[in-house]
Amino acid sequence: GQSLEQPSEVTAVEGAIVQINCTYQTSGFYGLSWYQQHDGGAPTFLSYNALDGLEETGRFSSFLSRSDSYGYLLLQELQMKDSASYFCAVRFSGGYNKLIFGAGTRLAVHP
Amino acid sequence: KAGVTQTPRYLIKTRGQQVTLSCSPISGHRSVSWYQQTPGQGLQFLFEYFSETQRNKGNFPGRFSGRQFSNSRSEMNVSTLELGDSALYLCASSSGLAGGTQETQYFGPGTRLLVL
Repeated sequence: GQSLEQPSEVTAVEGAIVQINCTYQTSGFYGLSWYQQHDGGAPTFLSYNALDGLEETGRFSSFLSRSDSYGYLLLQELQMKDSASYFCAVRFSGGYNKLIFGAGTRLAVHP
Repeated sequence: KAGVTQTPRYLIKTRGQQVTLSCSPISGHRSVSWYQQTPGQGLQFLFEYFSETQRNKGNFPGRFSGRQFSNSRSEMNVSTLELGDSALYLCASSSGLAGGTQETQYFGPGTRLLVL
């Protein structure tokens, strides 16, 4: 089967660093994506890892380890506007644009 | 470029009725995917259309169907509505040309469906 697991909630303070983990089980795999969704809004693309290693985009970084079926999203210098839900999503071989999403991690950033 | 648009934004129906939701992708995009989002289940893939053909399908009953038109606009239909169909229905567009490799999906604002 295909499944992803991520923590349901994470809390942090402004200026801090937070890591959101994602583990997946799959029989075929193309890459791991991360999406952000604010309450009442649409999911928006943050990053994608096709190969092992770290991808950095400004304050956000994403990491993938294929051998461990594991990835994470790292958010640095947290701001209040980062309070949102974060979803990891996997595209499987042959799945074209079929994304399997994790249940989402709700990040609350406090002053 | 205009983003992905979905109509209507909100909808209230009663059990047993049917509903049709519409999605207009970003200009030039040929792939439209549909997702159901509920608080308990997260985002669940319904199906994907590319060039008027269903290219992939999720694990939803046959009451959920869709189609795509020659201008890439897509509709999804849910027949014989059940209370459990209450959800946010999101569509996402992409060029669809990358095949199985990475291709960013751009989501619309969604249609919030309430079934009473």
